[in-house]
Amino acid sequence: GDSVTQMEGPVTLSEEAFLTINCTYTATGYPSLFWYVQYPGEGLQLLLKATKADDKGSNKGFEATYRKETTSFHLEKGSVQVSDSAVYFCALKTSYDKVIFGPGTSLSVIP
Amino acid sequence: DGGITQSPKYLFRKEGQNVTLSCEQNLNHDAMYWYRQDPGQGLRLIYYSQIVNDFQKGDIAEGYSVSREKKESFPLTVTSAQKNPTAFYLCASSGQGEWANQPQHFGDGTRLSIL
Repeated sequence: GDSVTQMEGPVTLSEEAFLTINCTYTATGYPSLFWYVQYPGEGLQLLLKATKADDKGSNKGFEATYRKETTSFHLEKGSVQVSDSAVYFCALKTSYDKVIFGPGTSLSVIP
Repeated sequence: DGGITQSPKYLFRKEGQNVTLSCEQNLNHDAMYWYRQDPGQGLRLIYYSQIVNDFQKGDIAEGYSVSREKKESFPLTVTSAQKNPTAFYLCASSGQGEWANQPQHFGDGTRLSIL
């Protein structure tokens, strides 16, 4: 069945470090891919999305490229800030409108 | 502004009691979803509805019930049959059809605890 795998956390980085959070997926057809962010005590917010192969989603300095050949959608940011501390979820949406979330990766950025 | 409103933000349940969590959206979305999130865990789908007066069970529907009488509203009832209801509950909505590639929009959640 469809599934999403994310790197295990928690991830701790110093401010201005480079961030990569790996995400790979298994799906039939051509899913849309998303990254969501969740701050403590809040709901999820869409961070970025890509709807077809080779699309690059970007927002607030974060980027992810839809790689069909490697079934991946890794999240990257060149220089993280303390305010980026949150839990990040990779997700896919199938043609049947079913959404599959990864387990989430907790990021802590220290000054 | 359009969005999803969940209420209450905090809710306490006594043993043997049913409680209902409210979810309202003004985004004109057809599909609505309920998820459960336990500490340090991902999201698990409880129920979802793609159209008014119709809904389907998700992965963990036992002990929960829903209704979808209006497009804007998708309330979740946590029944006394749910023996471990303490969790953070998230409601979401999304477009359908030609909007199928659109993301889900989430409310701010309801935290349910047992007294």
